[in-house]
Amino acid sequence: AQKVTQAQTEISVVEKEDVTLDCVYETRDTTYYLFWYKQPPSGELVFLIRRNSFDEQNEISGRYSWNFQKSTSSFNFTITASQVVDSAVYFCALSEEMDSNYQLIWGAGTKLIIKP
Amino acid sequence: KAGVTQTPRYLIKTRGQQVTLSCSPISGHRSVSWYQQTPGQGLQFLFEYFSETQRNKGNFPGRFSGRQFSNSRSEMNVSTLELGDSALYLCASSRNGANTGELFFGEGSRLTVL
Repeated sequence: AQKVTQAQTEISVVEKEDVTLDCVYETRDTTYYLFWYKQPPSGELVFLIRRNSFDEQNEISGRYSWNFQKSTSSFNFTITASQVVDSAVYFCALSEEMDSNYQLIWGAGTKLIIKP
Repeated sequence: KAGVTQTPRYLIKTRGQQVTLSCSPISGHRSVSWYQQTPGQGLQFLFEYFSETQRNKGNFPGRFSGRQFSNSRSEMNVSTLELGDSALYLCASSRNGANTGELFFGEGSRLTVL
């Protein structure tokens, strides 16, 4: 069965610290997609990144970076020099297609608190 | 461009009633997907509509249904409401499909069942 585990329920750091959010997934398929979304207090989920299973290249976007490792089934997210505005709940999600159907499976989310 | 609009934002119903939620996607997006978010179960995929056809479905009972109109607007209906249906219902639109593409979410409809 597909599964996405975000073991860190809540992380609290002081502004300017680096922080890494972990995501471990389970799938039997070779073709799948992984996502990260941010949910600020306003409630509206915001897309951050998508990775397909064939693209293990790490990605950097400003202060954000993602480390995708198929060998450990992990897709971790690092924020460098965190800011108060980064405070939100972050979700990792997995999508795979089976028999012309798919389900987007979400992790439980990690609540990130950045203290000034 | 205008984002995803969900109505109503808040509503209160009693057990046994039914409810209809509406979602207007971003112009040009053909896919609308629905999600239920609760503190206990987290985010769960309900279903996706693409060009007026249900393309994918999550593991929810038949009381949860939806449809999509020719202008891509979508409605979701829950019949015979139960207390456990209290949740934030999120709608998302995407250009090519919810399983591979970037999803644009609305602010959600918060349903309370008494």
